[in-house]
Amino acid sequence: NAGVTQNPKFQVLKTGQSMTLQCAQDMNHNSMYWYRQDPGMGLRLIYYSASEGTTDKGEVPNGYNVSRLNKREFSLRLESAAPSQTSVYFCASSLDSGTNEKLFFGSGTQLSVL
Amino acid sequence: AQKITQTQPGMFVQEKEAVTLDCTYDTSDQSYGLFWYKQPSSGEMIFLIYQGSYDEQNATEGRYSLNFQKARKSANLVISASQLGDSAMYFCAMREDRMTTDSWGKLQFGAGTQVVVTP
Repeated sequence: NAGVTQNPKFQVLKTGQSMTLQCAQDMNHNSMYWYRQDPGMGLRLIYYSASEGTTDKGEVPNGYNVSRLNKREFSLRLESAAPSQTSVYFCASSLDSGTNEKLFFGSGTQLSVL
Repeated sequence: AQKITQTQPGMFVQEKEAVTLDCTYDTSDQSYGLFWYKQPSSGEMIFLIYQGSYDEQNATEGRYSLNFQKARKSANLVISASQLGDSAMYFCAMREDRMTTDSWGKLQFGAGTQVVVTP
């Protein structure tokens, strides 16, 4: 049982390049999330998908787009990467969006934008 | 506005001692959930404990307990009998229930507290 799988684990981009972070979960969860983690700021929500077919902005959505491809997969796209997007990105999922539902996290993607 | 506040950026604790990590939160909802996660140096996020706003008892999970004081809006994590493997970053998080708010369904995190356990 893999849980939440993210790819790639590491990526270096030049300013202006684009890329897509892939995320898939095999727990039949309805809700999926993308967070970024920067030193001293905890995890900040970029986008989330409460259920298949829906997406919603989080706290820091600018410069990102998402696609909930199906129930399993939720991708994050950087159309034109900027140095300010250097961060560790986490994908997560939960059974649904209830207040008691804990999140299961992927192992993270370390992204550097030069 | 910051919903979750963790005022201790870092702390040292001696092995076998107990440590309390502070967390205060801001919400006008009556129904919400509070979570603690651990992030060791390897980077993964590990769920530790959950407390529901309507739970009358403080949550406990092994050596972890949550000191929930609803009126004060605090949800402090207590780690008893600290071990070297407890050295990590600890995050407090909250999920609100009111569907009319922008924050519905979203788990919001504090900035974290770095714990270092010394022999």
